[in-house]
Amino acid sequence: GENVEQHPSTLSVQEGDSAVIKCTYSDSASNYFPWYKQELGKRPQLIIDIRSNVGEKKDQRIAVTLNKTAKHFSLHITETQPEDSAVYFCAASYSWGKLQFGAGTQVVVTP
Amino acid sequence: EAGVAQSPRYKIIEKRQSVAFWCNPISGHATLYWYQQILGQGPKLLIQFQNNGVVDDSQLPKDRFSAERLKGVDSTLKIQPAKLEDSAVYLCASSSVRGGQGAGQHGYTFGSGTRLTVV
Repeated sequence: GENVEQHPSTLSVQEGDSAVIKCTYSDSASNYFPWYKQELGKRPQLIIDIRSNVGEKKDQRIAVTLNKTAKHFSLHITETQPEDSAVYFCAASYSWGKLQFGAGTQVVVTP
Repeated sequence: EAGVAQSPRYKIIEKRQSVAFWCNPISGHATLYWYQQILGQGPKLLIQFQNNGVVDDSQLPKDRFSAERLKGVDSTLKIQPAKLEDSAVYLCASSSVRGGQGAGQHGYTFGSGTRLTVV
């Protein structure tokens, strides 16, 4: 089955700086890679996603890149703000819609 | 559009007791998932239904966990007997994905979850 590894586990950044979270996956059949943001006590919320036929996607301050050959994908948050503080999960979908999640990255943005 | 509904929001039980969680997916979503999220970890798929049939239950501890989706709509997840390590948030999700498609289909949505504490 699919295995997703995520790094770092915690990330502290100054407000206004950029944050980068990296994930690797094992199953070359995976074709969809979403990123979720989860605030304390709340459900995971989809913030951006990318399909295997695209190398990069951007939505305002958030961007995701995918390297299929190396089987890794990354989340980039620019101009970080305190409200970006949360746990971020990457995931990969390889069959029938089920998602294999990474372990999560706790992002702390300090003013 | 109404979201994925789950109940209860919180549950505290003693070990060896039984507990049941309920999920009502988004109307028209054929696929329903139950995930277990232990504190500090990512969600882990327990079971996936397509309509009222099981697609994947390979990670469901079948000696104590059971789930059903009667009539292809609502679903219940049961634990009997509960263990301390079952303490987690149980998330239900639904989507309109069909066989052969990936999760990148419109409408993959999580419910708010049920937080279970086993003491």
